[in-house]
Amino acid sequence: EVQLVESGGGLVQPGGSLRLSCAASAFTFFSYGMNWVRQAPGRGLEWVSYISSGSTTITYADSVKGRFTVSRDNAKNSLYLQMNSLRAEDTAVYFCAREVGYDSNANYNVYLDLWGQGTLVSVSS
Amino acid sequence: QSVLTQPPSVSGAPGQRVTISCTGSSSNIGASYDVHWYQQLPGTAPKLLIYGNSNRPSGVPDRFSGSRSGTSASLAITGLQAEDEADYYCQSSDSSLNGDVVFGGGTRLTVL
Repeated sequence: EVQLVESGGGLVQPGGSLRLSCAASAFTFFSYGMNWVRQAPGRGLEWVSYISSGSTTITYADSVKGRFTVSRDNAKNSLYLQMNSLRAEDTAVYFCAREVGYDSNANYNVYLDLWGQGTLVSVSS
Repeated sequence: QSVLTQPPSVSGAPGQRVTISCTGSSSNIGASYDVHWYQQLPGTAPKLLIYGNSNRPSGVPDRFSGSRSGTSASLAITGLQAEDEADYYCQSSDSSLNGDVVFGGGTRLTVL
């Protein structure tokens, strides 16, 4: 079955660190750019980070830049998010999502066609 | 505040038609970036509902349709069913953010 499965969430104190993982199965993981998207309790979706298929392009939301690091291991079909200096406002369900990109109207467009079930990160003392 | 603006809530009776708007700006929808829509049922992950403004992935009923015009986009749901009660999010890209993914704030659809 084509799927993404996140793991690694949990309760951590402010200032602490956590590493999330996302395991991909039944598709050519190395062909796709991947994203992390989070959702704070009762709130909407917030894009967090993107990594290209070959890890040559990496981008972050301003809210996590300098604290979070995205990486991937194509040999292990896995995506990671290293989260340092965690704050209360980082509390959220974190989803990994597969990206599909295409050209249209002179723009490069992207959408997220496959999502994991999410893993909850709680930052609290 | 989200880059894309959606109404917080909409509602409709079973069988009715509802629309959800998504308003952007000249750096995203107005710059001809395509709009995509996701459905999030309670307690579940988002699911792709519409891509490329108006295309439905396999398995999505044709009761769901999308359109884009100017700096806005819309999701229409006809023949409303109880199972459509969910949160809906629009998504595009933004040239001022290096083409990164941007979401709307989400719209809660209530089926009366």
